[in-house]
Amino acid sequence: DAKTTQPPSMDCAEGRAANLPCNHSTISGNEYVYWYRQIHSQGPQYIIHGLKNNETNEMASLIITEDRKSSTLILPHATLRDTAVYYCIAQLFGNEKLTFGTGTRLTIIP
Amino acid sequence: EAGVVQSPRYKIIEKKQPVAFWCNPISGHNTLYWYRQNLGQGPELLIRYENEEAVDDSQLPKDRFSAERLKGVDSTLKIQPAELGDSAVYLCASSFRMGGPGEQYFGPGTRLTVT
Repeated sequence: DAKTTQPPSMDCAEGRAANLPCNHSTISGNEYVYWYRQIHSQGPQYIIHGLKNNETNEMASLIITEDRKSSTLILPHATLRDTAVYYCIAQLFGNEKLTFGTGTRLTIIP
Repeated sequence: EAGVVQSPRYKIIEKKQPVAFWCNPISGHNTLYWYRQNLGQGPELLIRYENEEAVDDSQLPKDRFSAERLKGVDSTLKIQPAELGDSAVYLCASSFRMGGPGEQYFGPGTRLTVT
């Protein structure tokens, strides 16, 4: 699985859009980009995944660049409950093993 | 729908003692995972089951760790004997694999402290 790089921490004002970047410059054509988050004292929670098209669900949007070397997770209207560590993972199709890095600690500020 | 259930939530033991963790996955999920998460790090896979079969246990320290998933549902992870370095959060996750990447659903974890 390709290595991903994320900033260690970010702040965002409550109510604003939180944009979390992820670099995966060595990603291969059949590797998906997954995002999970982990709120304090809880297990990780799946957010969204994509291959090359942009994706949106009720939690977030995922924007993948055309060359697939980077992506951005967007939380459109951040709330205090979105404070968590966010993990970006590049996972080979058919590989069930998630390889977590250290993620981005997002703090939503009132 | 009930999520992944783990027990106990917290466990404190002395080194060299045995300890066991229990996991009940989401109903119908055929794949079960055990992860270990050290402080400040992301989770690391210990073992993955497809139904009753352990299909990836390459990261499981087999000299002291063991796991089982009888009948392809519940699973137990055991450490015997525990060492100070085993202090961590042990997470269980499950998924329904349909031949491609699937979402994994995690339980709340068991926080183990070895003194």
